[in-house]
Amino acid sequence: QSALTQPASVSGSPGQSITISCTGTNSDVGGYKYVSWYQQHPGKAPKVMIYDVNNRPSGVSNRFSGSKSGSTASLTISGLQAEDEADYYCCSYTSTKNYVFGTGTKVTVL
Amino acid sequence: EVQLVESGGGLVQPGGSLRLSCGASGFAISSCWMHWVRQVPGKGLVWVSRIHGDGNEINYADSVKGRFTISRDNAKNTLFLQLNSLRVEDTAVYYCASQRWLQGSAFDIWGQGTMVTVSS
Repeated sequence: QSALTQPASVSGSPGQSITISCTGTNSDVGGYKYVSWYQQHPGKAPKVMIYDVNNRPSGVSNRFSGSKSGSTASLTISGLQAEDEADYYCCSYTSTKNYVFGTGTKVTVL
Repeated sequence: EVQLVESGGGLVQPGGSLRLSCGASGFAISSCWMHWVRQVPGKGLVWVSRIHGDGNEINYADSVKGRFTISRDNAKNTLFLQLNSLRVEDTAVYYCASQRWLQGSAFDIWGQGTMVTVSS
């Protein structure tokens, strides 16, 4: 199972919006609603930011939103803040009853 | 407070074995899927394995199938990962994570990770 494809890095200025893409296949992202997004700060464990494509856990800022079109999922961060600087990973359930993570995207706040 | 704490990592020679543990508190692992995810320092997250609450369904990534064994002791509220025939490329931080389905399919609780180093 190959990792889902994400851009290596995305950057934006404070207050701007950025979008991270996550491209898979019909056997993972395109075939299921079980796509989630995780934020990871250096030396820390991942934290779920979006689950089941477009749902936000309680306690997560409404500046984070998710969507999906075909085999590509997206995470949008609006009103970018310094604390959003981190690595972000998408994750999808697959047809082989496994899970697969994305390659990861480093978000830089300029 | 809900929490997962991993232990058992360390330095092992290629071909060796190690057993990782993941103790849960604040919730019962018998009521959820439990997963292992690993991360080579500086690299991305990689899903390793999962086990159902009753232990009757187990899945592995192809890269560890036949070498790693996931198990659980619901009475002790603890998850395990037996790592056999270890390779240098298995060197990583190993995280356990729960999937309680309180937040859909998300891995909602993560441990702090335990480092496994495979080197001669």
